[in-house]
Amino acid sequence: GAVVSQHPSRVICKSGTSVKIECRSLDFQATTMFWYRQFPKKSLMLMATSNEGSKATYEQGVEKDKFLINHASLTLSTLTVTSAHPEDSSFYICSAREGLRDEAFFGQGTRLTVV
Amino acid sequence: GENVEQHPSTLSVQEGDSAVIKCTYSDSASNYFPWYKQELGKRPQLIIDIRSNVGEKKDQRIAVTLNKTAKHFSLHITETQPEDSAVYFCAASIGGYSTLTFGKGTMLLVSP
Repeated sequence: GAVVSQHPSRVICKSGTSVKIECRSLDFQATTMFWYRQFPKKSLMLMATSNEGSKATYEQGVEKDKFLINHASLTLSTLTVTSAHPEDSSFYICSAREGLRDEAFFGQGTRLTVV
Repeated sequence: GENVEQHPSTLSVQEGDSAVIKCTYSDSASNYFPWYKQELGKRPQLIIDIRSNVGEKKDQRIAVTLNKTAKHFSLHITETQPEDSAVYFCAASIGGYSTLTFGKGTMLLVSP
């Protein structure tokens, strides 16, 4: 299958700071990327969908000014958690799709801890 | 929008037994149904998928069935092994640029 690489895998930051998470497709062009948040023992909650070169579409209840998504190229999307607070601590995971293909492949996820 | 229900939430089986996880979906336009396996702290891995033009698909010990009329699909794992223990998610989408809607997941525990 296709390879999606997400970095960092773990990050600890202080409350009030910003954290950037990168999601890269290594061997295909990711026309669409998805960002999810996953709480312990829970399902994947879609935060936003981004298409290369256009603004991300956020799901209801997700603050676009807090979770900044940039899909600047066909191989890279970034999620920036701005002014992070302890309640933002979670497992964030991206997935990517190529063109009109159905299959979506996931990055390895980022465990964010805000202290 | 699409709603995917998944059952059971937890499934415990003995090694060698079969396991079945069931999902229903609400949007009749959905035509792509993948299954993902997620081990603790790791990424979901696509293990099998099915499209609406077929009713069944097999890959070694794993099979998926789809009933479009009833809008449900199931994952079947035969001869389960301890390494099958994980959380399994079903999903549905209309395909193309549409998003995947996930079920809530099933934690499968296979005891030796």
